[in-house]
Amino acid sequence: AQTVTQSQPEMSVQEAETVTLSCTYDTSESDYYLFWYKQPPSRQMILVIRQEAYKQQNATENRFSVNFQKAAKSFSLKISDSQLGDAAMYFCAYRSDTGTASKLTFGTGTRLQVTL
Amino acid sequence: NAGVTQTPKFQVLKTGQSMTLQCAQDMNHNSMYWYRQDPGMGLRLIYYSASEGTTDKGEVPNGYNVSRLNKREFSLRLESAAPSQTSVYFCASRRGPEYEQYFGPGTRLTVT
Repeated sequence: AQTVTQSQPEMSVQEAETVTLSCTYDTSESDYYLFWYKQPPSRQMILVIRQEAYKQQNATENRFSVNFQKAAKSFSLKISDSQLGDAAMYFCAYRSDTGTASKLTFGTGTRLQVTL
Repeated sequence: NAGVTQTPKFQVLKTGQSMTLQCAQDMNHNSMYWYRQDPGMGLRLIYYSASEGTTDKGEVPNGYNVSRLNKREFSLRLESAAPSQTSVYFCASRRGPEYEQYFGPGTRLTVT
């Protein structure tokens, strides 16, 4: 079974600064997807970024980018130019590429605080 | 499009009571999922439905049943609620293998 580990329960960043959230995972599969989800106080789960394991290029979405190290099974999220609206819980998630209903396995989350 | 909707948003039950959480999606998605989120933990899969007419157990299915009523709707039933089922419940749907899951707003359930 796959496992996802987020070792930073809480992180803090000043507005306009850069922060990196860590995620490691364990799998024996070669094809899979990795995701970062944001959960603000509203509880809504919002997809931030996704990475296909077969792609060597790191995914980017505006101020959000990932550092995907497949051999090390590491998938960190970098938030540049942090904004107050970035404050939320961030969850790393793994999804197998096999099966018709590939399920998400989540980490325990990192709470990000953004300070002035 | 409303996306994924869940009812109710909040519910308080007494131990032993039953209830059904409703989920509907208007995106014509094939797969639907139920997760629970507990403090300090990520979301854990309870049940899922790969397509209309099929359901399968996830990581934590005990104490729950599901029904995929049609392509749009996927309900989660607690037959005899227990305090350990106090949690936030999320429904999600997905169009197909190449696509990500879309989540509903969640239902906060408290069992006393």
